Amino acid sequence: EADIYQTPRYLVIGTGKKITLECSQTMGHDKMYWYQQDPGMELHLIHYSYGVNSTEKGDLSSESTVSRIRTEHFPLTLESARPSHTSQYLCASSDYGGNRPYEQYFGPGTRLTVT
Amino acid sequence: DQQVKQNSPSLSVQEGRISILNCDYTNSMFDYFLWYKKYPAEGPTFLISISSIKDKNEDGRFTVFLNKSAKHLSLHIVPSQPGDSAVYFCAASPEGGAQKLVFGQGTRLTINP
Repeated sequence: EADIYQTPRYLVIGTGKKITLECSQTMGHDKMYWYQQDPGMELHLIHYSYGVNSTEKGDLSSESTVSRIRTEHFPLTLESARPSHTSQYLCASSDYGGNRPYEQYFGPGTRLTVT
Repeated sequence: DQQVKQNSPSLSVQEGRISILNCDYTNSMFDYFLWYKKYPAEGPTFLISISSIKDKNEDGRFTVFLNKSAKHLSLHIVPSQPGDSAVYFCAASPEGGAQKLVFGQGTRLTINP
């Protein structure tokens, strides 16, 4: 059973604020990912990590930053939120050595609204 | 440049009938394909996958077909049930160990009683 958690689930915040979206997984997966999704659109990869102290930018340019100092934790930070950051943010993880290495397990998402 | 396309934003099917969701891709380097299902206010959940060395994979009511020459895959659900109503995403992964997924835009499936 996949156990990956995201907090907060919903966030409404004013322009210019700094925010951190939390993502934790209890499966010991090495790989973790952040996606951004707008309604009716595809998921876009914005960050990924192969393991502790490893972070890479994804295919969609993002002003957010990530860190990976513990295997289970992969937070995403926006230093100064803007209305263009309004979107749903989905965190996922995968097990490189597992039976289904391409399968990513997703958290419930954080719906961010910047006013 | 969208590499994975789901051209039908929505599909409505009667309960008990077959649902067919389609997906096209452009990158011949994709070697693994997955279908995810997403309910509102939840993250996507894995449904079924297929390797490029196969042309069919079946799991209960769900079957995925891959036509490499046409760069096309489809998901068949039979019989369709009301609980199948959700958004379905097609995803593809290129060769190599990166395990990054490229997603389509999704198709909203509605099963009518």
